[in-house]
Amino acid sequence: DAGVTQSPTHLIKTRGQQVTLRCSPISGHKSVSWYQQVLGQGPQFIFQYYEKEERGRGNFPDRFSARQFPNYSSELNVNALLLGDSALYLCASSPGTGNSQPQHFGDGTRLSIL
Amino acid sequence: RKEVEQDPGPFNVPEGATVAFNCTYSNSASQSFFWYRQDCRKEPKLLMSVYSSGNEDGRFTAQLNRASQYISLLIRDSKLSDSATYLCVVNLGGWRYSTLTFGKGTMLLVSP
Repeated sequence: DAGVTQSPTHLIKTRGQQVTLRCSPISGHKSVSWYQQVLGQGPQFIFQYYEKEERGRGNFPDRFSARQFPNYSSELNVNALLLGDSALYLCASSPGTGNSQPQHFGDGTRLSIL
Repeated sequence: RKEVEQDPGPFNVPEGATVAFNCTYSNSASQSFFWYRQDCRKEPKLLMSVYSSGNEDGRFTAQLNRASQYISLLIRDSKLSDSATYLCVVNLGGWRYSTLTFGKGTMLLVSP
């Protein structure tokens, strides 16, 4: 069975540009979460979506937005890119939103801002 | 105080050694707890959930002390393949949402 898939794998952008990252959850999983991981740190929570509804938002600026589609896939958008946005962006899925359900991560999108 | 704090590491141990990782969390409302491992430049992978009664999975044993807000992971008979960064993870959410908060991670290097 396919795990969480993310695209693209790598991306290079310049300051001020916009980027869209994509995620397909594990089949049957309805919840998708996004995380940002900068070098040397643990992942930081950005958003959680369930049934197309935002269920949680981390401490990130409004330049970050996301949505979930009827097939439960998700997109993360980042506008007006800054150098500090360079990071590994991870998508995770779980069957639902219950707090005891572990989340399973995709390989991530490595975003570099020049 | 950071929400989830882990031993800074790295831990360098020989094959066959027993190694223990410690983690503390600040929010007493935290609901569930996990250990993930992350290989260099890869995604985090679930190692095990942590239950109040403590739980074991082969060479791995996890403990939770809610009163002290402390979580531990014990690895016995270390293998070379155990070399990775171990992430302590706390879930603050309720039934309607889940928000994983990660520690910075502790790197383990197992040598022959």
